[in-house]
Amino acid sequence: AQSVTQPDIHITVSEGASLELRCNYSYGATPYLFWYVQSPGQGLQLLLKYFSGDTLVQGIKGFEAEFKRSQSSFNLRKPSVHWSDAAEYFCAVGRVESTGNQFYFGTGTSLTVIP
Amino acid sequence: GAVVSQHPSRVICKSGTSVKIECRSLDFQATTMFWYRQFPKQSLMLMATSNEGSKATYEQGVEKDKFLINHASLTLSTLTVTSAHPEDSSFYICSAKKPGFYNEQFFGPGTRLTVL
Repeated sequence: AQSVTQPDIHITVSEGASLELRCNYSYGATPYLFWYVQSPGQGLQLLLKYFSGDTLVQGIKGFEAEFKRSQSSFNLRKPSVHWSDAAEYFCAVGRVESTGNQFYFGTGTSLTVIP
Repeated sequence: GAVVSQHPSRVICKSGTSVKIECRSLDFQATTMFWYRQFPKQSLMLMATSNEGSKATYEQGVEKDKFLINHASLTLSTLTVTSAHPEDSSFYICSAKKPGFYNEQFFGPGTRLTVL
């Protein structure tokens, strides 16, 4: 079985501080990993993805994530958070099914940024 | 690009009526589209996989007679919530798989359904 765990339901950081959002997965093969951001009432925006190769992945808006196979983790980081980063963040694992690719989403981490 | 649109973005209806939500891939052909449901403060739950020209595959616990899915063309999938009730109120998001972009889905902006 595959699952995605985001241990932190809610995180509050000060503007300008660094950020790390945790994501752990359980999957029997090489995972395809994604981070999405969702603003209130909006759809999902892809921040970054990992398929293979370099385990440190750069994304949009200054985000990066590192795939660590030994820890089954794909944590999202940003060195300096901006107020506009306040949103819901979802980690996802993708795999190929007979019907095509399917996603398994984590429960999400809500980010609050304080001035 | 890989743009997916949904229409309407927001709909309010009376209990007992049916509501149709459209999902379109604007700049690519999508043989497979997916429909998700999201409750407030929760993650996305896959409802069904929509394959062009064939019947949709529903996830366990999702009523296929309640949530009718039609994928009549390579750029359009529709979700019809039949005889809607207040408990069907939710945020519905579709996604589409773009050929060549294996293991990646492109998401629409979502549709907020409110059933009175």
